[in-house]
Amino acid sequence: IAGITQAPTSQILAAGRRMTLRCTQDMRHNAMYWYRQDLGLGLRLIHYSNTAGTTGKGEVPDGYSVSRANTDDFPLTLASAVPSQTSVYFCASRPGQGAYEQFFGPGTRLTVL
Amino acid sequence: AQSVAQPEDQVNVAEGNPLTVKCTYSVSGNPYLFWYVQYPNRGLQFLLKYITGDNLVKGSYGFEAEFNKSQTSFHLKKPSALVSDSALYFCAVRDAGSARQLTFGSGTQLTVLP
Repeated sequence: IAGITQAPTSQILAAGRRMTLRCTQDMRHNAMYWYRQDLGLGLRLIHYSNTAGTTGKGEVPDGYSVSRANTDDFPLTLASAVPSQTSVYFCASRPGQGAYEQFFGPGTRLTVL
Repeated sequence: AQSVAQPEDQVNVAEGNPLTVKCTYSVSGNPYLFWYVQYPNRGLQFLLKYITGDNLVKGSYGFEAEFNKSQTSFHLKKPSALVSDSALYFCAVRDAGSARQLTFGSGTQLTVLP
């Protein structure tokens, strides 16, 4: 069982380019999340999805979009990358009702130049 | 709005000594509290949680945490630190009535010295 996989592991991107970070889980968890981690700021929620077909905005959603076409996949898209989006991005999932802890993927390190 | 504070960016402790990593929280309702650990270049790993019940919660790798409602604290503890415990630790809180989102603290880097 792989748990949560994220791709790519790392990426260097020119400003203005479009980029999609992939996240796939094989645990059939209902809820999925995208966070960014920046030094001294901890993890901040970008977008979330409580179940397939629904999404919601987190604390820092601007410049990002997500979709949840099925249970397993939750891609994060940067439509036009900017240097302030340089960060480490983590995808997480949670089983659903009655389960509270989240499980995290290994992360994607993104550098926008 | 819910929030978490980890007042120490860095904690150093000698191997074999007890360790404490501090966390205080603010929520409007009953808190659900969590500790996660992050090793270099890895994702976060769940350590333990407090939902209800006993104030002392035991988790993975010998860690425990004490919930103190009057002080709104949830400090992480371990009786005897190991060098391998050196990592970044995050406290997180969820309001029991919220849309299931976690709010994380800024993290505390724990270094256990041999």
